[in-house]
Amino acid sequence: IAGITQAPTSQILAAGRRMTLRCTQDMRHNAMYWYRQDLGLGLRLIHYSNTAGTTGKGEVPDGYSVSRANTDDFPLTLASAVPSQTSVYFCASSDPTSGDGSEQFFGPGTRLTVL
Amino acid sequence: GQNIDQPTEMTATEGAIVQINCTYQTSGFNGLFWYQQHAGEAPTFLSYNVLDGLEEKGRFSSFLSRSKGYSYLLLKELQMKDSASYLCAVVDSNYQLIWGAGTKLIIKP
Repeated sequence: IAGITQAPTSQILAAGRRMTLRCTQDMRHNAMYWYRQDLGLGLRLIHYSNTAGTTGKGEVPDGYSVSRANTDDFPLTLASAVPSQTSVYFCASSDPTSGDGSEQFFGPGTRLTVL
Repeated sequence: GQNIDQPTEMTATEGAIVQINCTYQTSGFNGLFWYQQHAGEAPTFLSYNVLDGLEEKGRFSSFLSRSKGYSYLLLKELQMKDSASYLCAVVDSNYQLIWGAGTKLIIKP
């Protein structure tokens, strides 16, 4: 693989169910991010990780959790999904040591619908 | 609070020039990105400005004025494939990206 992959591509989920969105990158980037994108709103940061073993809360962390056991993987878990979590979720990564302002590279996204 | 403003939608004609503006108010400034996002796809990097002035990359140019909290993306010789949303994002004092809602650009023949 090259770049960032996300799974699943799309999912319909019943409210109250637990769901994990997967994200894997092969660029050896230290920093990874989870965003949600809703119509009429900008990308909003849910959680981030500056390096393996560390995570931080973004703008909209409630209802979501993440882990960063290694450099490549950064799963996002919805412990008990609610309809307001219906959104398109993007995973991204960056190399903070690069000289281009730490451009973020995005995965293809997961379209999640919570009913 | 932090705020990024962009027009919601713009329309332009194939072959013409269009300028998409972005104004920002953020806690600190460590650079500004422009990304392109086609419908149903992921955002892709277009440009990065950290110093005042114009950066040119082929048909696309990006301008920054830090004193005015202002940037624009200039697209020349518009092609139908340029129909997309253009996202402005500012790197704040915590080195997090603050994103605008994006400008949907519609290109007409």
